Formats: sequence, structure tokens, C-alpha cells
Amino acid sequence: SAVISQKPSRDICQRGTSLTIQCQVDSQVTMMFWYRQQPGQSLTLIATANQGSEATYESGFVIDKFPISRPNLTFSTLTVSNMSPEDSSIYLCSVEEAGGRETQYFGPGTRLLVL
Amino acid sequence: LAKTTQPISMDSYEGQEVNITCSHNNIATNDYITWYQQFPSQGPRFIIQGYKTKVTNEVASLFIPADRKSSTLSLPRVSLSDTAVYYCLVGAKAAGNKLTFGGGTRVLVKP
Repeated sequence: SAVISQKPSRDICQRGTSLTIQCQVDSQVTMMFWYRQQPGQSLTLIATANQGSEATYESGFVIDKFPISRPNLTFSTLTVSNMSPEDSSIYLCSVEEAGGRETQYFGPGTRLLVL
Repeated sequence: LAKTTQPISMDSYEGQEVNITCSHNNIATNDYITWYQQFPSQGPRFIIQGYKTKVTNEVASLFIPADRKSSTLSLPRVSLSDTAVYYCLVGAKAAGNKLTFGGGTRVLVKP
């Protein structure tokens, strides 16, 4: 299974600033996903990031607020822009198992607190 | 994507078997059933996946009746370290590879 790391693991930010979260995978993968998990809640998909194309955003999420880069098959970034306290959450990236079914492997998450 | 319904929480004791049932009445023909486990401060971890009948691995068993409108995750002889949130998901590759997480079941294993 893929091994995924995220940086930073946690951060405390001031409102109005932006934070870029990095996701690194130890193997080449086609599909990468970004999720948000608010305190005590389930996971919500933000967007799907394929290498070489624009990310596809889910309803309620827009590129201006959550720009995503996917420069190669092992790396992606998610930026949380112009943050407000409502953006305080855990942000997770995941990758899909190659050639398989609906099986995804998740990173450890980035815990963000916006003051 | 098929919607899933699972109990919000369950309590158990060490050494007992825990069974979590998930309802997915509108599951499609191509949908697989997948369970994930999430510990506090960690990302979800794949546990088991099945299409029909029974699937067993080193961690759990998954029971799926013939109509596939529900499934039961069975955790044998749980320990304190099995305290986690367990998510049931259904979906197929044709659906665009998206995972839709429901509320999950919070399992608390007591000594």
C-alpha cells in the first residue's frame, strides 16, 4: 500500500492568511484527493487532483479558496486561502490504489487552527 | 453514490465480538462495499472490502446478504486499541472514484 506524508502536521494561523499543505506519496499514483474533516465530524471531499489537469472541485468548494497543484505523480499541494476560523479543520490527502476498486490510502492529516 | 446508514456509536468490552451493520438500500449493481477505520488524529485506514457473501482477512470479516442492501462488519475479540470510528462506504469505479463518507460508527472498547 502507498505511504503518504503530509506537511505540516499541524499549524496555527491568523485569519486572512493562507496556508499551503503538502502531500507526498512514495509511489506514482494517478488519482489524489483532498478531504476536510471538521472537529467531531466525518470526512468531506474537497477536490480530486489528477496530474496534468485542473482539479475537480465538489459542490461548496471553489478554486479561489482552495487552489490545488499537482505537478507530478507523487506530489500535490492544497492551499487554504484567506483563512477564517471556520476553516479550522483537519485536511487529509488520499490516493487511490492502483488498478483497483474503491480503495484509498490516506495521509495522517494536517490539523489547522485559525485564530 | 449509495447512501449508507450506520449506528452512531457502540460500546463493547475487551475480548468480545463487535458487529456493526450498515444499511445501503439503493446500492447499485457495480458498487463494492468498503469499510474504513479511523483512530483519533489519524487518517482513515482501509479494513476490508467485498461485493457479496463473506470476506475475511486478518483484521475483520464482512458479511453481505444476497440482496446486498446491508452489510455487517465483524471484529473478533476486540481490544482497547480497536476503539475508533468505523465508516461504511459503497461505490464503484464508474462513479468517478469518489468516496462519500457517512457519519461512521464510534466504537468504544472498555476494559
